[in-house]
Amino acid sequence: DIVMTQSPDSLAVSLGERATISCKSSQSVLYSSNDKNFLAWYQQKPGQPPKVLIYWASTREFGVPDRFSGSGSGTDFTLTISSLQAEDVAVYYCQQYYDTPYTFGQGTKLEIK
Amino acid sequence: QVQLQESGPGLVKPSETLSLTCTVSGGSISDNYWSWIRQPAGKGLEWIGHIFPGGSTNYNPSLKSRVTMSVDTSKTQFSLKLNSVTAADTAIYYCARDHNTGRYFDFWGQGTLVTVAS
Repeated sequence: DIVMTQSPDSLAVSLGERATISCKSSQSVLYSSNDKNFLAWYQQKPGQPPKVLIYWASTREFGVPDRFSGSGSGTDFTLTISSLQAEDVAVYYCQQYYDTPYTFGQGTKLEIK
Repeated sequence: QVQLQESGPGLVKPSETLSLTCTVSGGSISDNYWSWIRQPAGKGLEWIGHIFPGGSTNYNPSLKSRVTMSVDTSKTQFSLKLNSVTAADTAIYYCARDHNTGRYFDFWGQGTLVTVAS
């Protein structure tokens, strides 16, 4: 299985400040034939299912605010929230879909400082 | 807009079979893979497996010996059976749609809590 490891486990950021979450995979999720990284980011608020924010490592899902961005390639990825809003309080997960079983990171809990 | 809704018993006895159904509305069930994902309370997400309406399935090896998935296109439903359950199978179970071009999950059900207890 591809192991996904996120850091930190929890993060407190002031409103309007930048939040950065890291995700590392135990093997590359870059598919060389199409040069795409098979990596997605999700946001999960309490009592709700996860919601996809980013796919192909850096493509924002329709309707997701542009303060959310994804970057990275191969085994190292980052989710950045450029200016934290109160509604961004949630747990964030990365997921690889390069190979089955599809696997998720353990989650990063984002709070307001 | 595609919508998914899980249904099934919220309480299952140890050693028995967990059975859940996901009803899809607002779109075709025939053109995508459909997944089951679970989340123990306060913990992370575990992909259980997925099914394509043509019959193709892929299960997580950690659960493969206990999992069966099926699909009923006439009812736009797909189902999960997990046998020989234990307390470790207590979780919120989500159904979700695999995106066509990449197996990320673009639509999710609200989830249903299944508790394994006698």
